[in-house]
Parts: sequence; C-alpha cells; structure tokens
Amino acid sequence: AQSVTQLGSHVSVSEGALVLLRCNYSSSVPPYLFWYVQYPNQGLQLLLKYTTGATLVKGINGFEAEFKKSETSFHLTKPSAHMSDAAEYFCAVTRGSGGSNYKLTFGKGTLLTVNP
Amino acid sequence: DAGVIQSPRHEVTEMGQEVTLRCKPISGHDYLFWYRQTMMRGLELLIYFNNNVPIDDSGMPEDRFSAKMPNASFSTLKIQPSEPRDSAVYFCASSPRAYEQYFGPGTRLTVT
Repeated sequence: AQSVTQLGSHVSVSEGALVLLRCNYSSSVPPYLFWYVQYPNQGLQLLLKYTTGATLVKGINGFEAEFKKSETSFHLTKPSAHMSDAAEYFCAVTRGSGGSNYKLTFGKGTLLTVNP
Repeated sequence: DAGVIQSPRHEVTEMGQEVTLRCKPISGHDYLFWYRQTMMRGLELLIYFNNNVPIDDSGMPEDRFSAKMPNASFSTLKIQPSEPRDSAVYFCASSPRAYEQYFGPGTRLTVT
C-alpha cells in the first residue's frame, strides 16, 4: 500500500521568493510520483512526474521536483514565486511497473498563497 | 485537444432525486476514472474503466452509485437516490497510460 504526507496544509511566500512544498511517501515497491496543481474551481493539472531515470524532474511553469529514495521524499520547488502560482498542490504516488499502477494515492494538498 | 469535458459544471438537486454526471474523455485515452473530492476525505477514486470495461469499482460508496461507459467517448456517473452527503465535486479523468491521468474541470454537486 502507498501513502503520501504533505507537510503543511498552507504555505505562504512572497512574490519572487523560493517555493518549497514538501511531500513524503510510503511505498513497498518502487513508486511513480506526481505533483498536480488545482486552481480555484478547476480540475487537477499534472505539473510533473517521476517514473524512472533522472531523479530531478522538471515540469511546467518553472517547477521541479527531486526524487530522493533514501529520504522517501519528492519535494516540489520553484526558485521564484509568481502571483499566478497561487493554487492548491497535490502530491500523489502509485506503484511503479508491475501492474496495478492506476490507483493514485493523493496527499491532502497544500494551499500556496503568494503575497505581493 | 479540448481536454476532458464534464457536464454539467454545477448541479443543485433535492434529496431523493436522480443525478447524472457526464464525461467525455480525451480521444485516444484508454483509461477513464471517476473521483470525488470533499474537504473531509480529499480525493477518492470511485471507479475506473479500461477500454470501456469497468475494472475496479471498489471505491463506489454504495449501491446508489453506478457508472457506465457505453463507448470510448462517453461515460456517466449516476446517483439514485441522491442524499445530502453526496454533495462534493466529482472529477472525471482520462489517461493514455493508467498512471498519467488528465482531469476534467469537475462537476460541483449540491444535494439539499
């Protein structure tokens, strides 16, 4: 079984500051990991994903995340926050290759606010 | 591509009424998922289809919920009879590979 913990339900940063959203996962098999963003009254949009290969993955809108197996983490970062980054962010995990990897387990989400 | 299309975007109904939510997946995607999002429980997978066939419906809360996918371009989620505790945002997602899911804008359901 997989689980996801997102540390901090609400993160507030100033425009131009570093964004760091934390995600730790638990998985008994090699995981696939994802970050989704949800803007108000919209569906979830895939930001980036890690499946295999390079552990530093780049996504849309300048975001990136690094898979650290030893720390069971997949933190999301962006060097400089923009007002348009204000949204809720969800980390998700599923089992990697070997079947049954459709079932995404989502974290409870982190609401990011960006102050001018 | 238009993305995943859901209708209606908002639905308000009275307890006991039948509710039908609709979804058009992205063309060429073989997987379709129905999720429910609430403040209390977060995102929950209700059911998923592969090539129009229901594969796992273990997340469907009870017999009042049913889902169909008559063809590759259309799916419905039906609640009959609806109850206030069904109030939530219902998302449909489709995928070319099971783990890479693309979400629709959701249907906000309010049952009074």
